Amino acid sequence: DGGITQSPKYLFRKEGQNVTLSCEQNLNHDAMYWYRQDPGQGLRLIYYSQIVNDFQKGDIAEGYSVSREKKESFPLTVTSAQKNPTAFYLCASSFPDGTVETQYFGPGTRLLVL
Amino acid sequence: KQEVTQIPAALSVPEGENLVLNCSFTDSAIYNLQWFRQDPGKGLTSLLLIQSSQREQTSGRLNASLDKSSGRSTLYIAASQPGDSATYLCAVMDSSYKLIFGSGTRLLVRP
Repeated sequence: DGGITQSPKYLFRKEGQNVTLSCEQNLNHDAMYWYRQDPGQGLRLIYYSQIVNDFQKGDIAEGYSVSREKKESFPLTVTSAQKNPTAFYLCASSFPDGTVETQYFGPGTRLLVL
Repeated sequence: KQEVTQIPAALSVPEGENLVLNCSFTDSAIYNLQWFRQDPGKGLTSLLLIQSSQREQTSGRLNASLDKSSGRSTLYIAASQPGDSATYLCAVMDSSYKLIFGSGTRLLVRP
């Protein structure tokens, strides 16, 4: 089955700790995205990548970092600089021209601070 | 800056009722408008995508309309069922190919 997987489903972070969220897709999509969702709110774009070895900051990139070494993978690191990391994180992928076809979303990772 | 607003924030209806969810956006320079469904604690599922040149799209009991000039879209759900209970998110693709989301309408269909 083609799709997007995210792991883990739940992640706990201690103060001062960096944590990495995994996102893998086998849809052969070039573009991948990371969004943050807070309770009762829509999604906000953190980072996106249109092609391997290239990525751009979204609207709320501070305190986050990404890499795109493989087409299938787009991990997100939440660094200690992110002071309010508790949220639901969603990864998505699409063909580069998203005007015709939608983005496909993974099941999400919920990050909680201990 | 593009802003997307959804009204109402929450809606509770009895089973079988037809209902309308509203979405408005501030900048008409969009490539498309999309409606998504999100179940609690889950990812998003695409329901309908309307290109900027289109007026509406239909899928089963769902019909979405787009009036770009007035910055409005509606999602019409016919003969609602308890399984339709979820949060419905509207998003527009702006001129830089980014999706801008509304905060959603939380729908409860009572048996």
